[in-house]
Amino acid sequence: EPEVTQTPSHQVTQMGQEVILRCVPISNHLYFYWYRQILGQKVEFLVSFYNNEISEKSEIFDDQFSVERPDGSNFTLKIRSTKLEDSAMYFCASSDEGNTIYFGEGSWLTVV
Amino acid sequence: KNEVEQSPQNLTAQEGEFITINCSYSVGISALHWLQQHPGGGIVSLFMLSSGKKKHGRLIATINIQEKHSSLHITASHPRDSAVYICAVTNFGNEKLTFGTGTRLTIIP
Repeated sequence: EPEVTQTPSHQVTQMGQEVILRCVPISNHLYFYWYRQILGQKVEFLVSFYNNEISEKSEIFDDQFSVERPDGSNFTLKIRSTKLEDSAMYFCASSDEGNTIYFGEGSWLTVV
Repeated sequence: KNEVEQSPQNLTAQEGEFITINCSYSVGISALHWLQQHPGGGIVSLFMLSSGKKKHGRLIATINIQEKHSSLHITASHPRDSAVYICAVTNFGNEKLTFGTGTRLTIIP
């Protein structure tokens, strides 16, 4: 069974610090996503990435957020200056066009 | 913007019971996904539907495109089925998922 892997599984950071969440999507997939889930709330879309560029982003995905695919395998989400309200579970996902989407186990970010 | 609603929000049942979770959405979709979020937080895709019905083991998912409604059924429920079940949709023209709030299912032995 193919899988999406995410690191770290849990990170605690101080407000104002930069955070990078890493993901290794499934190798032959073309679409990559970041979603987040604030504790007790529903999962929200952050950004989608296709053909080495952002294809869509939500209102949440402001200038503090960025994504990269630095080496053709990893897919990273960077938060430049974390705020308390960025505390959430961040999910990476990947899919092939029109097919099942696969999620990673999530990275739990706590901003203190 | 698609509004995705699920019912019930919480469901507790005895082992062996037949379970139904419902999902409705407001705008026409290209596909509907049923997902399972286990207690550790990870999300697993169960089904992707654009029409009709799909079955996998004890799980059955149906969709009625005209009524903008889908159901997830679990037959012979088991305590290991306890999880949050989430309905999510994709709209025409993009691949992102819009999520419902989830149904927390607890199966008591």
